[in-house]
Amino acid sequence: QQQVKQSPQSLIVQKGGISIINCAYENTAFDYFPWYQQFPGKGPALLIAIRPDVSEKKEGRFTISFNKSAKQFSLHIMDSQPGDSATYFCAASKDYKLSFGAGTTVTVRA
Amino acid sequence: DTAVSQTPKYLVTQMGNDKSIKCEQNLGHDTMYWYKQDSKKFLKIMFSYNNKELIINETVPNRFSPKSPDKAHLNLHINSLELGDSAVYFCASSQGLADYNEQFFGPGTRLTVL
Repeated sequence: QQQVKQSPQSLIVQKGGISIINCAYENTAFDYFPWYQQFPGKGPALLIAIRPDVSEKKEGRFTISFNKSAKQFSLHIMDSQPGDSATYFCAASKDYKLSFGAGTTVTVRA
Repeated sequence: DTAVSQTPKYLVTQMGNDKSIKCEQNLGHDTMYWYKQDSKKFLKIMFSYNNKELIINETVPNRFSPKSPDKAHLNLHINSLELGDSAVYFCASSQGLADYNEQFFGPGTRLTVL
């Protein structure tokens, strides 16, 4: 049973465009929401994370928006670059365990 | 300078065989994990160890047995391999149990069971 639902499964964006990935959760006990980035043939790597008492966090071109009442959060990739082409996983954590979304494969066309 | 390493990178074997995947981290971390990533890229925790002590044991068949000889190593042994075990297995580590939100993943081991 997937505790974090992620969409879309894949998206294609032109270089310079904005990529938006959405995630939703049910369990209000989750207390931390990280995003991981995975390049083909590599393991996932932590990209950016947010706590539920914060509505937005920005690091460079990556921004997390968090809506606690709606139990939704999203990743925005601004000015998308070909090097951003990867699979992105949202996750939610509690009790020393990360529950991952199904992943979104982002392809940035030059 | 590899942080989390796994061997082998690829493993092809027949149903019914027993195989092991090794994981080592040189980050000085106390906590290590095993994940399974299926063909749809869904990533699921299998086990976690903290200072060689088992912390998380998800509903994984008991054919899977993790072994942590020391804090830097967490190996995964799989008995009587089945077709459904085909997946990419990732090892990860975090500085400590409280740091589980930031995990450092290895490159993965692609297991194919024929």
